[in-house]
Amino acid sequence: SQKIEQNSEALNIQEGKTATLTCNYTNYSPAYLQWYRQDPGRGPVFLLLIRENEKEKRKERLKVTFDTTLKQSLFHITASQPADSATYLCALPAYSGAGSYQLTFGKGTKLSVIP
Amino acid sequence: GAGVSQSPSNKVTEKGKDVELRCDPISGHTALYWYRQRLGQGLEFLIYFQGNSAPDKSGLPSDRFSAERTGESVSTLTIQRTQQEDSAVYLCASSLYTNTEAFFGQGTRLTVV
Repeated sequence: SQKIEQNSEALNIQEGKTATLTCNYTNYSPAYLQWYRQDPGRGPVFLLLIRENEKEKRKERLKVTFDTTLKQSLFHITASQPADSATYLCALPAYSGAGSYQLTFGKGTKLSVIP
Repeated sequence: GAGVSQSPSNKVTEKGKDVELRCDPISGHTALYWYRQRLGQGLEFLIYFQGNSAPDKSGLPSDRFSAERTGESVSTLTIQRTQQEDSAVYLCASSLYTNTEAFFGQGTRLTVV
């Protein structure tokens, strides 16, 4: 069956360090992968999209890699700040068997940046 | 509109009653998703609309759940004969096309008592 796994439910990191979050998937061949941020009581907010022909994408302090051989995406936040504390979700298009691809989310990793 | 709007933001209902949740997507967005998020859990896909195609209902947990979308505008998610396990935040998202970023509403927190 198709599965999306994010490496840990929670990750604590010291302010200023680089946070690395992992998203692994099985039985998918996604054309792209997305990362979102979710704060408590709010809907997810889009951060980055990376396509299967892209190895890496950057946006300010964020960097995403996509390895279609390993079936893995890494999400990095450099020079982390307490304001980066949130739950981070990866998402990819999953074929539902009903003739369409729907955006499926991992369970997320809750990042806490400690001052 | 400025973003995806959902109403009501909170709904408390008695077990067995029907509820209707509304989503106003961003104007011009062809794709619309509904998700359910139980406390401390991930996003559970419910249903997906894309343009005028038949909706993908593969995530609906039972026949008590249904959803409609009028063209490329408002969508309503209806839960009939609500049960306590239906208590969750229901999130709506829209995107310009299937393979572009999704914009989420703030969600409707449903509590069944």
